[in-house]
Amino acid sequence: EAQVTQNPRYLITVTGKKLTVTCSQNMNHEYMSWYRQDPGLGLRQIYYSMNVEATDKGDVPEGYKVSRKEKRNFPLILESPSPNQTSLYFCASSLSLTGGGEQFFGPGTRLTVL
Amino acid sequence: EDQVTQSPEALRLQEGESSSLNCSYTVSGLRGLFWYRQDPGKGPEFLFTLYSAGEEKEKERLKATLTKKESFLHITAPKPEDSATYLCALSGGSYIPTFGRGTSLIVHP
Repeated sequence: EAQVTQNPRYLITVTGKKLTVTCSQNMNHEYMSWYRQDPGLGLRQIYYSMNVEATDKGDVPEGYKVSRKEKRNFPLILESPSPNQTSLYFCASSLSLTGGGEQFFGPGTRLTVL
Repeated sequence: EDQVTQSPEALRLQEGESSSLNCSYTVSGLRGLFWYRQDPGKGPEFLFTLYSAGEEKEKERLKATLTKKESFLHITAPKPEDSATYLCALSGGSYIPTFGRGTSLIVHP
């Protein structure tokens, strides 16, 4: 089954404790991205990757890191989480984004930073 | 700067009562306009891509249309299972998609 998986689905942590949210897709998609979704603000892109070893900032990259060492995986790293990073996070992938392209979203990770 | 505005924020319909959701946009060089459906606690699910003014796409009770300034998602004879948040997004000059805040649709039986 074609899908995007994320882990963990729920995470409660404390300020300053490094964490990683994993994302994996099995569709051989080139383009992957991370979003955060907050009430009243909608979906905002954090980082995106056009292919292996090619990542770039989205609209809200501060406080986040990503890496793309393999085509299928695109982990999101919070080196020193803060309470304002409490949010619902989605990973997404698509075949490409040139000319527009449907994105497949993962199930989401609900992060709470105390 | 690309912008997407969706209206209304929330819409309540009776089963069978057709209506339309609006997505107004400004963009420099439209690559594509997308509609997604999002159920509570889940990731958005792709519905349609529209590329140019005049284009229309249909799927079951949903029909998406596009002009140079806005897109409509028409829902014909909705059923309770159509209840969800509908998101509009566009891809413009950059590779950063811009999403609207969504329209929350509730269809009462």
